[in-house]
Amino acid sequence: QTVVTQEPSLTVSPGGTVTLTCASSTGAVTSGNYPNWFQQKSGQPPRPLIYATSNKHSWTPVRFSGSLLGGKAALTLSGVQPEDDAEYYCVLYFGGSYWVFGGGTELTVL
Amino acid sequence: QVHLQQSGPGLVRPSQTLSLTCAISGDSVSTNTAAWNWIRQSPSRGLEWLGRTYYRSGWYLDYAVSVKSRITINGDISKNQLSLRLNSVTPDDTAIYYCARDQDWAFDFWGQGTLVTVSS
Repeated sequence: QTVVTQEPSLTVSPGGTVTLTCASSTGAVTSGNYPNWFQQKSGQPPRPLIYATSNKHSWTPVRFSGSLLGGKAALTLSGVQPEDDAEYYCVLYFGGSYWVFGGGTELTVL
Repeated sequence: QVHLQQSGPGLVRPSQTLSLTCAISGDSVSTNTAAWNWIRQSPSRGLEWLGRTYYRSGWYLDYAVSVKSRITINGDISKNQLSLRLNSVTPDDTAIYYCARDQDWAFDFWGQGTLVTVSS
């Protein structure tokens, strides 16, 4: 069973920078896993932020960026805003034609 | 702009079949550039991808191993909608169910979510 792991929680100060990561139990995350990142707030569907590692949707704020870092997918928030306080999820694609979501990172802006 | 509108019952009895539909506007369920997914979310399981269908001169299906024996996903071209059937449900299937489009490896548009409770 494939497991995707994220930090359970992180805290960042307003204006600061934070990096969230997404790891795979099968080994290093690559561009072939097409990492997607989502932001979710209470009572809402996940809001897409990043796809295929580093591509932004038209609605994605500039301060969000995606990359591969040390064998993991990474989401970096630069110049964090109070409204970035939310849960963040990644999802990875695996060659057996299935997707697996991470457990989510609760980001607190404090 | 793509819009996904979900419908279906919010309460299902144990051992019965969960059935949901996802009406698509702004795109076609038979497009050859996207796949149509069902995803669920619960406190115990988090976000869980259930499966997808896509049309490439014929219908293709991929299902999560965890539900493969119980799930059916269909694309209906005449109604331009996606459907989900999950058989033999238990309280563990209680979750918010979402439909979502993925195009070019991007999950870009999601339905509003449907809370389905499995209870007698």
